[in-house]
Amino acid sequence: QVQLQQSRPGLVKPSQTLSLTCAISGDSVSSDSAAWNWIRQSPSRGLEWLGRTYYRSKWYYDYAPSVKSRITLNPDTSKNQFSLQLTSVTPEDTAIYYCARDQYYYFDYWGQGTLVTVSS
Amino acid sequence: EIVMTQSPATLSVSPGERATLSCRASQSVSSNLAWYQQKPGQTPRLLIYGASTRATAIPARFSGSGSGTEFTLTISSLQSEDFAVYYCQQYHNWPWTFGQGTKVEIK
Repeated sequence: QVQLQQSRPGLVKPSQTLSLTCAISGDSVSSDSAAWNWIRQSPSRGLEWLGRTYYRSKWYYDYAPSVKSRITLNPDTSKNQFSLQLTSVTPEDTAIYYCARDQYYYFDYWGQGTLVTVSS
Repeated sequence: EIVMTQSPATLSVSPGERATLSCRASQSVSSNLAWYQQKPGQTPRLLIYGASTRATAIPARFSGSGSGTEFTLTISSLQSEDFAVYYCQQYHNWPWTFGQGTKVEIK
């Protein structure tokens, strides 16, 4: 059974960097059949896919155009986890952030969600 | 990006009745569509993928249909645990996009 455990919620100040991690059990971040995603949810933007990383002989990264200039995903094979960094945050980035697995582009396992509030 | 539009925003249904939820894509997504259920305070749960294939352990009262731009999620006989928000998601074109959701509430 795949489980995704996300880091704790936090408060981030405007213009700073949001950082979250997602620890994987029951699968591998370097699996050749899975991809590892970040999705967020807010009342104003609904569910929004942000990006994903996956390993197919080398690491690949796909990012949503809406955040492409600010987002970085990093896999960590030693800890079997992956992380999200979102720079230059504004209050618009306040949301519940989820990590999720996909094998065929839909999301079959989700993390528990992490509320991130951007406020001074 | 492909815009997914769900209707209605809220559906009031009595337990035991049928619920029909709609999802429309701004351009064809073929059958690359998934449905999710989300209960308050919980994470989304995959119900349907490929427009009509039930995910593991999803009861047979949930069914999906459609292709191209028009899709339907049907819950044949609503149980108490089915009252939730339902989202569609297209995975035909980058970036993947979700509908805004349909809330199924008790009538």
